[in-house]
Amino acid sequence: DAGITQSPRYKITETGRQVTLMCHQTWSHSYMFWYRQDLGHGLRLIYYSAAADITDKGEVPDGYVVSRSKTENFPLTLESATRSQTSVYFCASSVSGGAVGELFFGEGSRLTVL
Amino acid sequence: AQKVTQAQTEISVVEKEDVTLDCVYETRDTTYYLFWYKQPPSGELVFLIRRNSFDEQNEISGRYSWNFQKSTSSFNFTITASQVVDSAVYFCALSEAYSNYQLIWGAGTKLIIKP
Repeated sequence: DAGITQSPRYKITETGRQVTLMCHQTWSHSYMFWYRQDLGHGLRLIYYSAAADITDKGEVPDGYVVSRSKTENFPLTLESATRSQTSVYFCASSVSGGAVGELFFGEGSRLTVL
Repeated sequence: AQKVTQAQTEISVVEKEDVTLDCVYETRDTTYYLFWYKQPPSGELVFLIRRNSFDEQNEISGRYSWNFQKSTSSFNFTITASQVVDSAVYFCALSEAYSNYQLIWGAGTKLIIKP
């Protein structure tokens, strides 16, 4: 089925380890986004990408790295995980620029850093 | 300062009651967009509506309606005759040129509909 898929859905890791969360979309949407969701904060933008090989920082980029070599994939890497990065991570895609258009979200990846 | 405020952290009503979720926003721009998203217990966020700043007409979609008032910087969401399936967290969000049109999210309102 077409859509946006995230993997893994659940991940437990230890402080200092590298973790990569994968995001794949089948719509060929230009824009892709990574958000984290924490209680009381709503969603906060980590990084976004306007097209392949174009990425930009969001509100909370520190400690995260992204890449987008192909339009359909937008992995998020925590190079050295910290407990403060325990969160639910959502990937999203959009046809149009910024947030003028509707965002389509994945199911989320719940990350626990011990 | 909060740019999108959803003052109601949690609301609980009995099925068939009407319920209104409040959203107040701040922006310097004259062109901006307002959104509502629903996050059911399954976790995936679902788009409900987008409104641009030049269109203050209220919108109705089935049991859902939205009241946009620029004078009070509010974009409230009403569910009429609520149902258990409406139980979810609802997010209001703002997109403005000043923030490069990136969505700025409220903290969400958890809506519980009791049978």
